[in-house]
Amino acid sequence: QSVLTQPPSVSGAPGQRVTISCTGSSSNIGAGYDVHWFQQLPETAPKLLVYGNNNRPSGVPDRFSGSKSGTSASLAITGLLAEDEADYYCQSYDTSLIGYVFGTGTKVTVL
Amino acid sequence: QVHLVESGGGVVQSGRSLRLSCAASGFTFSRQGIHWVRQAPGKGLEWVAGISHEGSNKFYAGSLMGRFTISRDNSKNMAYLQMNSLRVEDTAVYSCARDGVTPFDYWGQGTQVFVSS
Repeated sequence: QSVLTQPPSVSGAPGQRVTISCTGSSSNIGAGYDVHWFQQLPETAPKLLVYGNNNRPSGVPDRFSGSKSGTSASLAITGLLAEDEADYYCQSYDTSLIGYVFGTGTKVTVL
Repeated sequence: QVHLVESGGGVVQSGRSLRLSCAASGFTFSRQGIHWVRQAPGKGLEWVAGISHEGSNKFYAGSLMGRFTISRDNSKNMAYLQMNSLRVEDTAVYSCARDGVTPFDYWGQGTQVFVSS
């Protein structure tokens, strides 16, 4: 069972804005560890989307943005496109588990 | 560009062993750490193990209870995951990932491991 909790699913119409929350605790996000976000398209390997809480790798559209506050983090997708339909995972480090942890995952559906 | 290719997966009986391999190219392998991550059918991502760039530091998920061993051969640009005493619940796609700007900045496509009872 993951220590980072995400909503199982979010949905939105094309062009809309959706947000995905990632709720942790004082032993991971709240301890100051960075949060990273990954996109996993169907039947493909995860792809780094946001790193270090709010940075985008080269080639990732600025429609994707990350933020972090306290024991939680969020990923926002603006101008939703059909191609954004995928699973999204947050990731951080946990001092209690002494290891890397992933969120429970969120499936984004474009209506 | 960065390329990671896993191999060695397959069907194995519970209690047996399996060794996975990760072939890396497109970057200076000896300068980067490597991780293994698994994804059980229909489930989320789970970090399994990590190894530092020179191989001297190794880290494991506590849930593995010492059954898995990560290693690397920088002369061959290869990383490995030795899995012993396999259990049905170890059934998953196992992927290797590069430790770069984040612990998992590039991923391979993964290799399927199925453990039968």
